[in-house]
Amino acid sequence: AQSVTQLGSHVSVSEGALVLLRCNYSSSVPPYLFWYVQYPNQGLQLLLKYTTGATLVKGINGFEAEFKKSETSFHLTKPSAHMSDAAEYFCAVSGGTSYGKLTFGQGTILTVHP
Amino acid sequence: NAGVTQTPKFQVLKTGQSMTLQCAQDMNHEYMSWYRQDPGMGLRLIHYSVGAGITDQGEVPNGYNVSRSTTEDFPLRLLSAAPSQTSVYFCASSYEGTVGANVLTFGAGSRLTVL
Repeated sequence: AQSVTQLGSHVSVSEGALVLLRCNYSSSVPPYLFWYVQYPNQGLQLLLKYTTGATLVKGINGFEAEFKKSETSFHLTKPSAHMSDAAEYFCAVSGGTSYGKLTFGQGTILTVHP
Repeated sequence: NAGVTQTPKFQVLKTGQSMTLQCAQDMNHEYMSWYRQDPGMGLRLIHYSVGAGITDQGEVPNGYNVSRSTTEDFPLRLLSAAPSQTSVYFCASSYEGTVGANVLTFGAGSRLTVL
């Protein structure tokens, strides 16, 4: 079984500041990990993913995440926030091949102030 | 390509009414799923399908039925709507070869209110 905990339901940053969204997971098998982003009134879209290999993964729009097995974490970062980054972000986990069955975290709403 | 298309976008029902949320994808994806999104709870899996004629339950299946007669379509049926089913519903699809078939393409969502 898998589970995901996102720390902080709301994160607020200033434009140009570091973005850090926290995600911890549990999985009984080696996990696949994902970050999805949801812009207002839209569906979710993939930001980045980790399967195996390099633990630092880069995604779209300058985001990246690091898989830390010892900490069971997959935190999302971006060095410099932009106003267009304002959205809700979801961390998700699957136990390997699972045919579209993901376990999602609760979501973190990112607000970017001018 | 249209991707994943959901209809209707908005719906208001009275308790006890039935309705079907439609989902269609034009990408020839094998796998399709329905999630519901509630504030503070993320997305939870309702039902999923690994191919035409094959469906199975997810985390929160009670009160919902699905069928998959074609690769393209995966409707979600509410037989007797309850206020607890007020939510935003997302249909998603994926295909083999995309990281364990878990890179999902989502529809835009259907917002359902049950009075």
